[in-house]
Amino acid sequence: DTAVSQTPKYLVTQMGNDKSIKCEQNLGHDTMYWYKQDSKKFLKIMFSYNNKELIINETVPNRFSPKSPDKAHLNLHINSLELGDSAVYFCASSQNRGGGLADTQYFGPGTRLTVL
Amino acid sequence: DQQVKQNSPSLSVQEGRISILNCDYTNSMFDYFLWYKKYPAEGPTFLISISSIKDKNEDGRFTVFLNKSAKHLSLHIVPSQPGDSAVYFCAASKGNTGKLIFGQGTTLQVKP
Repeated sequence: DTAVSQTPKYLVTQMGNDKSIKCEQNLGHDTMYWYKQDSKKFLKIMFSYNNKELIINETVPNRFSPKSPDKAHLNLHINSLELGDSAVYFCASSQNRGGGLADTQYFGPGTRLTVL
Repeated sequence: DQQVKQNSPSLSVQEGRISILNCDYTNSMFDYFLWYKKYPAEGPTFLISISSIKDKNEDGRFTVFLNKSAKHLSLHIVPSQPGDSAVYFCAASKGNTGKLIFGQGTTLQVKP
């Protein structure tokens, strides 16, 4: 009964390839997020969707494209992978827009992407 | 330009003693602060939070203190237990943006 799940857990691929990471939440939340944890361990938000609408879009290369087929899923597509894309990617969800006391963000287990 | 900083990458304490994890921020517009705990190969899990209108919030063994004038918050764990060994992330947000700004984490080791 995992709340926020991601697949795959590990992804090793060659530069230039296109890959996707999937995220699903069964909490009935309206908002989902993608975060990137880089080699310096900082967790940085990339995107946020509320009811399938994009509400946060940080300065991320347009090779990264989130897709939300429904409010329980937020997938991350990455085109033309580069070495610098190697990181751990975390999906998260919250009931509302993730602000304030009543709107905790719940994280998935992460996907470790390695680009060779 | 890192707006949330955790300057101690690691901390080691003895079981039963107090653990104090620190976090500094630069943006005075932040109005909500959180601590997340992360075990290896897992995602961060929410631990405790505090609104900027308060200076203290307590939940069991965990207490968060906020000093707005110093732009500093701390997490106190007492008594510390070996199961508390994890990476602790401080995070901050402003308004209802949903955009959490994280520090780089502090690895806590609690020795039996």
